[in-house]
Amino acid sequence: DQQVKQNSPSLSVQEGRISILNCDYTNSMFDYFLWYKKYPAEGPTFLISISSIKDKNEDGRFTVFLNKSAKHLSLHIVPSQPGDSAVYFCAASAEYGNKLVFGAGTILRVKS
Amino acid sequence: GAGVSQSPRYKVAKRGQDVALRCDPISGHVSLFWYQQALGQGPEFLTYFQNEAQLDKSGLPSDRFFAERPEGSVSTLKIQRTQQEDSAVYLCASSLVGGQAAYGYTFGSGTRLTVV
Repeated sequence: DQQVKQNSPSLSVQEGRISILNCDYTNSMFDYFLWYKKYPAEGPTFLISISSIKDKNEDGRFTVFLNKSAKHLSLHIVPSQPGDSAVYFCAASAEYGNKLVFGAGTILRVKS
Repeated sequence: GAGVSQSPRYKVAKRGQDVALRCDPISGHVSLFWYQQALGQGPEFLTYFQNEAQLDKSGLPSDRFFAERPEGSVSTLKIQRTQQEDSAVYLCASSLVGGQAAYGYTFGSGTRLTVV
């Protein structure tokens, strides 16, 4: 059973436009959510996180939105840049848990 | 070191062979994690150490998988009698604080294991 789902395997966006990556989860015990970015042949790199007590967290061009009632979160990147092209993983954890549960990832391609 | 270092980067093993994968975490990091990432999937949790204590090994897929961190620093993931389904990228990660995955941790580049 996939507790964290990223239903879009890939997304293609024009440079300068907004990229929106989506993630759904099923486990109501999750209350921290993270986004990781991964380039080929490298490990995932932490990007941004959000606690369930918030509905929005912003860091520069990156904003994560959480809709707890819908068990849905999204990552907005604006403006998108070619260097943002990578695989983006959504992950979730219980606050004091020691493990992250990852989605399958979404490949983002930003075209110049 | 500056980051999490894993070796070897690539490993090809014949089916039935034993393999050992090494992880050097960031100096001073208390927590160390192993994840397995199959092709086209997200990383899946294998095991977690806090210093030298293995606090969670619930993700290890079989008793052929064994991990250790005897001095609370370097860790080794050992897979005995490798099978084709063990082919994956094995990722190691570390964090300064213990047991709080919610704050993110630093991953290494992984070891790509191919069992032929």
